[in-house]
Amino acid sequence: EIVLTQSPATLSLSPGERATLSCRASQSVTTYLAWYQQKPGQAPRLLIYDASNRATGIPARFSGSGSGTDFTLTISSLEPEDFAVYYCQQRSNWPITFGQGTRLEIQ
Amino acid sequence: EVQLLESGGELVQPGGSLRLSCAASGFTFSGYAMTWVRQAPGKGLEWVSAISGTGGSTYYADSVKGRFTISRDNSKNTLYLQMNSLTAEDTAVYYCAKFQANWGIAFDIWGQGTMVTVSS
Repeated sequence: EIVLTQSPATLSLSPGERATLSCRASQSVTTYLAWYQQKPGQAPRLLIYDASNRATGIPARFSGSGSGTDFTLTISSLEPEDFAVYYCQQRSNWPITFGQGTRLEIQ
Repeated sequence: EVQLLESGGELVQPGGSLRLSCAASGFTFSGYAMTWVRQAPGKGLEWVSAISGTGGSTYYADSVKGRFTISRDNSKNTLYLQMNSLTAEDTAVYYCAKFQANWGIAFDIWGQGTMVTVSS
């Protein structure tokens, strides 16, 4: 099973700042990686797929990068609605696995 | 509008069984693989199971293998999850989700979730 480790567990920033979230895989997933945003009481929302492609309707301030084992989700300038929990997910090997999540909170 | 609507979650005793349903609309259901993902209270996301568009291929997490069965009825645009031998560790919100393609990388559409509580 591929283990995805996200860091940091919690990130405290202010609106307007840049957020950098990391996801590291225990073995290569090439670019078979996605990122999701989840707000309390809501289902997850797809942000990024194939490591760097924005999903439909996702603002340009969200970007993904990386390949192999190291991936990054960057939010260029935080808006108030961006404070949420973010998960990475791999589809390189079965079973599909998620990272444990990074909580992005308002400082 | 593309939509997924789960149902069937409820309180069930340990050792019991439950069948979840996920009604799909707004897309060609048979053209996409589908999946179940769960989230225990206050915890992260855990992938549970997936099924191809035709239903001919299925995959399970080790934690549910042999106890849960995923299936679909393409004539009814509905996905199912049969859950047997339930334990407290199965308590979670269960989401159904659609793969971007028949076997895409990501899940682009999610339902609102249905709560399963296993308790005596």
